[in-house]
Amino acid sequence: DIVMTQAAPSVPVTPGESVSISCRSSKSLLHSNGNTYLYWFLQRPGQSPQLLIYRMSNLASGVPDRFSGSGSGTAFTLRISRVEAEDVGVYYCMQHLEYPFTFGGGTKLEIK
Amino acid sequence: QVQLQQSGAELAKPGASVKMSCKASGYTFTNYWMHWVKQRPGQGLEWIGYINPSTDYTEYNQKFKDKATLTADKSSSTAYMQLNSLTSEDSAVYYCTRGVLFAYWGQGTLVTVSA
Repeated sequence: DIVMTQAAPSVPVTPGESVSISCRSSKSLLHSNGNTYLYWFLQRPGQSPQLLIYRMSNLASGVPDRFSGSGSGTAFTLRISRVEAEDVGVYYCMQHLEYPFTFGGGTKLEIK
Repeated sequence: QVQLQQSGAELAKPGASVKMSCKASGYTFTNYWMHWVKQRPGQGLEWIGYINPSTDYTEYNQKFKDKATLTADKSSSTAYMQLNSLTSEDSAVYYCTRGVLFAYWGQGTLVTVSA
């Protein structure tokens, strides 16, 4: 199975500042078709996960453009600019290159 | 609008089975695979598998192959997941989520396994 690692269990941030959340995969998620099969989700407290980014860098519908995704085949970054209070929650990366799909352990964004 | 309405919380005894549902609305049910995801209390997310409601083809995470059974009823646009031989390790919230993008999620079904 592909192992997804989010090294930082939590990240504190001041409202209005920017923050980056990292994720690594044990295998390249770059497919021969040029797509990189990496999602980012946000799970706010008490809610279901919400898709933020698909195929590493594509913003999901309705997601503010303060969110952006980037990376290589095995190292990925979710960047949130101008952090707001509503961004609080746990951020998960997930690979969907091959079965079984696997998630990172999550990074909790906390407001200072 | 797309909605996935999951069935209510379940309390089950060890060794028993539960069957939960995920009723889809706002789109053509057979056009999108339905995935299921497990989240234990305070823990991360695990992919269980998916069903193609059009063909009833299923793909399972090997970890859940003997635990979960995915089915779908086209007539009612409802996906089901049955969990067998329950243990305390199965106490969790289970989510259904639509399609390859996981863009829509149900509200989750809490399963508690306790004697």
